[in-house]
Amino acid sequence: QQQVKQSPQSLIVQKGGISIINCAYENTAFDYFPWYQQFPGKGPALLIAIRPDVSEKKEGRFTISFNKSAKQFSLHIMDSQPGDSATYFCAASIRGYQKVTFGTGTKLQVIP
Amino acid sequence: NAGVTQTPKFRILKIGQSMTLQCAQDMNHNYMYWYRQDPGMGLKLIYYSVGAGITDKGEVPNGYNVSRSTTEYFPLRLELAAPSQTSVYFCASKFGAGDEKLFFGSGTQLSVL
Repeated sequence: QQQVKQSPQSLIVQKGGISIINCAYENTAFDYFPWYQQFPGKGPALLIAIRPDVSEKKEGRFTISFNKSAKQFSLHIMDSQPGDSATYFCAASIRGYQKVTFGTGTKLQVIP
Repeated sequence: NAGVTQTPKFRILKIGQSMTLQCAQDMNHNYMYWYRQDPGMGLKLIYYSVGAGITDKGEVPNGYNVSRSTTEYFPLRLELAAPSQTSVYFCASKFGAGDEKLFFGSGTQLSVL
């Protein structure tokens, strides 16, 4: 019940295209859903996050869509750029709880 | 502001050797974590701490030990290194229970040969 399933494992998108990464969870107690971005040789860094009281959150070219009934959430990267090439992790946690459960990661490559 | 600092960045160990991965944070964060990252497996929690003197096991604690004598430092000890411990190790921290954002160090790449 603590799993977060992420797909696809890897993704190649042309510059200017839309990148979409999907995650699904089982534990309905999760109430915080962040996405982390990791560049090669670096640690993950928080990109954007959403709570289940809203269905969408947008920050610049990055949007999280959240479907509470389906227990799914996704990251959309609009107008994808080569600088967006990185590994993206979805995650889920319970407010006030110590642990964060991570997805398995998606390696995104944006080609010119 | 240094954030979360990990040392060393790279290390090669022989089977059976021991070592300590260092982690320090200067943000006065109460919660600290150790994760390992393996290709296609995501981030697996090894150990975590909610304050000085308090530690607990994560998903994959076998073969590791931790201690936390101060707020700033959270070292990870590998005893009797095995090839299965070849991985990239990340230390992370956050302020407390109501703060959800994790700050990560830049990682330690460990090979056990």
